[in-house]
Order: sequence, then structure tokens, then C-alpha cells
Amino acid sequence: RKEVEQDPGPFNVPEGATVAFNCTYSNSASQSFFWYRQDCRKEPKLLMSVYSSGNEDGRFTAQLNRASQYISLLIRDSKLSDSATYLCVVNRGSSNTGKLIFGQGTTLQVKP
Amino acid sequence: EAQVTQNPRYLITVTGKKLTVTCSQNMNHEYMSWYRQDPGLGLRQIYYSMNVEATDKGDVPEGYKVSRKEKRNFPLILESPSPNQTSLYFCASSSLLLLAGVPPVFGPGTRLTVL
Repeated sequence: RKEVEQDPGPFNVPEGATVAFNCTYSNSASQSFFWYRQDCRKEPKLLMSVYSSGNEDGRFTAQLNRASQYISLLIRDSKLSDSATYLCVVNRGSSNTGKLIFGQGTTLQVKP
Repeated sequence: EAQVTQNPRYLITVTGKKLTVTCSQNMNHEYMSWYRQDPGLGLRQIYYSMNVEATDKGDVPEGYKVSRKEKRNFPLILESPSPNQTSLYFCASSSLLLLAGVPPVFGPGTRLTVL
């Protein structure tokens, strides 16, 4: 089993749709969780950190479920510009070593 | 501007010719890492560093070397590149607040082709 798993998609949705991605992680000691966005093999850019209580930034909502060991990203009112690959990133374990594990990414294509 | 820089951005080389990809950050971050990204495999960690003179292997360290003599720099060295090291490479840095949810910052990437 991979340490961090994402459905690679692609998710093809119309503009204005709501879409949700899930990401599961295997190490229950992980403490830091992030969603990054990556365009066309450019560098990943932070979309949002994921906090235990869940957090929202405009049209984006992130949730963490420690019991089931998954994080989710909800995008409301999808825009064409949301088309990208979304990477789930989790730190490896509880020790503060800076080691991160990446999911393979979920590709989103928003159509007019 | 807080950033991670990498050089070169693009490189085509031949098998066996030693090369170095530089990475530098201006945020005084303790952690620095190198990743490679290949289609279908996602980003995989090559090496990481917790601080000056403290480095450790990631998931795919074979064929690579690193050093951390200064806090801001973390070069990636390919002593004898081979075609299977053709990839997109990213350097990233993060602070001790990583576990508190402060995210890492990525460099712009280096696209390496080994013929």
C-alpha cells in the first residue's frame, strides 16, 4: 500500500460544478497535511494547509479525518483556471525531520 | 522576496558527465530536500537535510549526492549521470514549523535530460 494515495482522475467537470478529492495516508503519526496545486510540470504551489478543525479559503475547503486517515479538498463553483493537478502532501511520521510524502496527484479538467 | 532558486533550469547532458544542480533559499529554513518527478510516479524524495552538515537519504538516493555546507545552499550532484536520471527535479525548503502546518516552498524546477 502506498503511503499516500490519491485517485489520479482525470476529473472532467463543467464550469460551476462542485468537485471533491480525497487522499488517504497510511502513517497514523503524520501531523502535517497540505494541498498543493501543480500546473503543466511547473513547481507545486501551496493551495492550503489542512488543519484538524478543517479550513476554508474562498471556494476551497479542506478537511482532515484522523480516525480514517484521509484528507479531502472540496472546490465549489469550479473555474476554468482551476484546471490543474492537485497534490496531497503529508509529513512522514511524528518526528520533525522535514520528510514529506506526495500523492501522485489528481488531475482536474474544468470544461466551459 | 522569499524564494527558492535552482540552476540550471534546463540541462541536456551525456551519460557519465558529472553535473551539479544548485539550490538556494533566502528564508533561513532548516530543512531542504530534493525531489524528482516522473510521469505516473509523482514526486519522490531523493535526499533531504535537517540542517548544516545533516543530510539523509530519501526514497530514491541511488546515483545522487548532496552536501549542506551552508544553511542556504543544498546542491544536488550527479557524479555519473545515466539516462534513467532524466527527470524533472525540484528543490524545496521548509522551516522547523513544518509540523505546525507551515508549508514547504518549492524551487522552479530543473528539467534534466541525459542522453
